[in-house]
Amino acid sequence: KAGVTQTPRYLIKTRGQQVTLSCSPISGHRSVSWYQQTPGQGLQFLFEYFSETQRNKGNFPGRFSGRQFSNSRSEMNVSTLELGDSALYLCASSLDRELDTQYFGPGTRLTVL
Amino acid sequence: QKEVEQNSGPLSVPEGAIASLNCTYSDQGSQSFFWYRQYSGKSPELIMFIYSNGDKEDGRFTAQLNKASQYVSLLIRDSQPSDSATYLCAVNGFSGGYNKLIFGAGTRLAVHP
Repeated sequence: KAGVTQTPRYLIKTRGQQVTLSCSPISGHRSVSWYQQTPGQGLQFLFEYFSETQRNKGNFPGRFSGRQFSNSRSEMNVSTLELGDSALYLCASSLDRELDTQYFGPGTRLTVL
Repeated sequence: QKEVEQNSGPLSVPEGAIASLNCTYSDQGSQSFFWYRQYSGKSPELIMFIYSNGDKEDGRFTAQLNKASQYVSLLIRDSQPSDSATYLCAVNGFSGGYNKLIFGAGTRLAVHP
């Protein structure tokens, strides 16, 4: 089975712009979670989608949003970018069972200038 | 108090030795526990998961869980230089937290020849 894929792998934006990141889960996986990883804060949960519905959300401002499509692919959007949004954004997928094992994609490295 | 705590290290062990990585968590409702390995610049890679009290072995890796003490550990036997990485402890199943992994800050392991 192919793993989790994320596009693009690298992105450079300037402050105030917006960005959309994409994630394709492992075939058959219906849950997609997003995480932000920075040197200072480590890995932090952003949100989780299942069957096109946001099921859980972390403590991030409303500038961070996401959605999931009927084929389980997911996108996350960050509006009005700030320097502090520079991070590795990771998506993870799992089967639809609660508490199931999550498998991570390679991540998107976002740099905000 | 952080929800998931790990010693940041670095933990330095000689090749062939046993590396012992520890993690404590605060939420008694936690249901499942994961160890991920992350090489510099890469995404987290699942090593093991454990749900029940006791030990779980997979090759050179053994995960140990003690829910009463809210403690989970990872032992790596016959450590190799290729095991040098950051090891992330993750906990799932917080109240209402479907597929919401809470990560520790990670322990950096260095295996020297």
